[in-house]
Amino acid sequence: ELKVEQNPLFLSMQEGKNYTIYCNYSTTSDRLYWYRQDPGKSLESLFVLLSNGAVKQEGRLMASLDTKARLSTLHITAAVHDLSATYFCAVWDSGGGADGLTFGKGTHLIIQP
Amino acid sequence: DAGVIQSPRHEVTEMGQEVTLRCKPISGHNSLFWYRQTMMRGLELLIYFNNNVPIDDSGMPEDRFSAKMPNASFSTLKIQPSEPRDSAVYFCASSLQFYNEQFFGPGTRLTVL
Repeated sequence: ELKVEQNPLFLSMQEGKNYTIYCNYSTTSDRLYWYRQDPGKSLESLFVLLSNGAVKQEGRLMASLDTKARLSTLHITAAVHDLSATYFCAVWDSGGGADGLTFGKGTHLIIQP
Repeated sequence: DAGVIQSPRHEVTEMGQEVTLRCKPISGHNSLFWYRQTMMRGLELLIYFNNNVPIDDSGMPEDRFSAKMPNASFSTLKIQPSEPRDSAVYFCASSLQFYNEQFFGPGTRLTVL
């Protein structure tokens, strides 16, 4: 069974600071997705990472994937309040499983002025 | 593109009543997913379909839950009879194939009294 662990689960940080959210998973995968969810809203796709070493950037967010370490990171640069949200990583088990995506529990990020 | 459409957006019902949630996936997408989100359990995959065929329903909590996809543009999730512990936000998502990026609908907030 694929397990996906995010840490931290809660993060409060100040505007202007940098921080990284980590996503570890337990089995072979070369497909990893990051989603954002605002309070009371749906999930919005942020990044699609499809190979080892993949790096994607959008504004102050950058995501990377290391399939050998089974690790993805979401790095926040010079945080601003608008980035406050819950961030989920989701992994597809490429070891032959047909279980769809497995989501982490989410990282609840609060950015304070 | 209208995105994934769900109805109703909010549903309040009494214990024991039948509840039917509806979803229209993005046109051309071959896979459809039903999720449930609660504070306690996070985001849980209930069932998913590929080409209108249910592939994995291991997440369906019990026999009170059933899902159908009679054609490529419509799916339902039915709860009969409903119980207060079914109160949650139910999301529908679709993707080109089951291993691709998923696009989420706005969700249905279900309250069972």
